[in-house]
Amino acid sequence: DVKVTQSSRYLVKRTGEKVFLECVQDMDHENMFWYRQDPGLGLRLIYFSYDVKMKEKGDIPEGYSVSREKKERFSLILESASTNQTSMYLCASSGQIPDTQYFGPGTRLTVL
Amino acid sequence: RKEVEQDPGPFNVPEGATVAFNCTYSNSASQSFFWYRQDCRKEPKLLMSVYSSGNEDGRFTAQLNRASQYISLLIRDSKLSDSATYLCAVRPIPNQFYFGTGTSLTVIP
Repeated sequence: DVKVTQSSRYLVKRTGEKVFLECVQDMDHENMFWYRQDPGLGLRLIYFSYDVKMKEKGDIPEGYSVSREKKERFSLILESASTNQTSMYLCASSGQIPDTQYFGPGTRLTVL
Repeated sequence: RKEVEQDPGPFNVPEGATVAFNCTYSNSASQSFFWYRQDCRKEPKLLMSVYSSGNEDGRFTAQLNRASQYISLLIRDSKLSDSATYLCAVRPIPNQFYFGTGTSLTVIP
């Protein structure tokens, strides 16, 4: 079974703090993704990576950065957390076509 | 126009009913299609892939209509445990997935 893990299930941070969300997959997948999910807006892609040290902006990259130093690990960084970044953050990975995406359990981040 | 659109519902159906969801997509070159199930406060989990010829898994049937650019999910003999949000996903190019906002289903005893 594919396993995608995320470093925290719940996180509470203060405005202006730097926040690191980590994601690890054990299936040797090339592609990894970070989404946020908000009620009524669905899943929105923040960044994705198709190889080590490669990254591409998704639909809403502002306020976020990412790092992929190893194939199995993809980190999302909030440089200076703001209240509008309170959300559920989901990491996913996928292999090549026609493979689907496999999601981690999510991190529910609250920024006070 | 959104890449993928779904009716958000909610769909409230009695146990044993048949219910169908549709999902339209805008990119005619899309190659892969999927249905996910998401329980409250959990991550989306793959329910089934959607193949050109249609596919069935027990009470669930997925179909693809390329001419009209939509995929469908049919659930027969609904169970209480089917209550969830159902997301469709489309993969137009290798590194891009687009998800619908989800359709909420509640199966009532």
